[in-house]
Amino acid sequence: EAGVAQSPRYKIIEKRQSVAFWCNPISGHATLYWYQQILGQGPKLLIQFQNNGVVDDSQLPKDRFSAERLKGVDSTLKIQPAKLEDSAVYLCASSPGQGVSGANVLTFGAGSRLTVL
Amino acid sequence: AQSVTQLDSHVSVSEGTPVLLRCNYSSSYSPSLFWYVQHPNKGLQLLLKYTSAATLVKGINGFEAEFKKSETSFHLTKPSAHMSDAAEYFCVVSDANTGTASKLTFGTGTRLQVTL
Repeated sequence: EAGVAQSPRYKIIEKRQSVAFWCNPISGHATLYWYQQILGQGPKLLIQFQNNGVVDDSQLPKDRFSAERLKGVDSTLKIQPAKLEDSAVYLCASSPGQGVSGANVLTFGAGSRLTVL
Repeated sequence: AQSVTQLDSHVSVSEGTPVLLRCNYSSSYSPSLFWYVQHPNKGLQLLLKYTSAATLVKGINGFEAEFKKSETSFHLTKPSAHMSDAAEYFCVVSDANTGTASKLTFGTGTRLQVTL
């Protein structure tokens, strides 16, 4: 089974620039998550999709962060404009859909490391 | 509200000696609990999970954890550490049952160092 794919693995940008991260979940997984992991901290949920609908985006800084999952498969997370404090690893994860056994077991991608200068 | 507290930010053990990584949780409901491991520059990997079945849970690579409701703990153990166990370990709680996709709350992590 192929895992969760993310790109790019590394990105360095200047503050106020924009950046986009891409995620391809495990085939058939209806639920997709974006987490932010700042150095020395545990991952924090930014947004959760069920198919192409948003389930939880309560911790997404909506003035600068946006995410979409238009066809219920791939997802893109965008930051515009970036701030220094956005330097982090952005983790994508997926899980089977609601009502499926194992729905709360997440499979994570390797992450996209963002450095904002 | 749900939360986890990992009591040690850093644990160092010698190869071949036991490992104990401590975790306490807080949850309004019957929680699901997980341990994930993160090797440098790698994604998070599920070690084991507790979802209201047996309280002693066995995971991959010889790790196990025991759910103790009276102590609100879910400590991770391994009888004999191996060099390849050196990594960051996260204790995770979810209020949802196994059939519900729900937000996971991560602890701050424990870095395990294994020395010769």
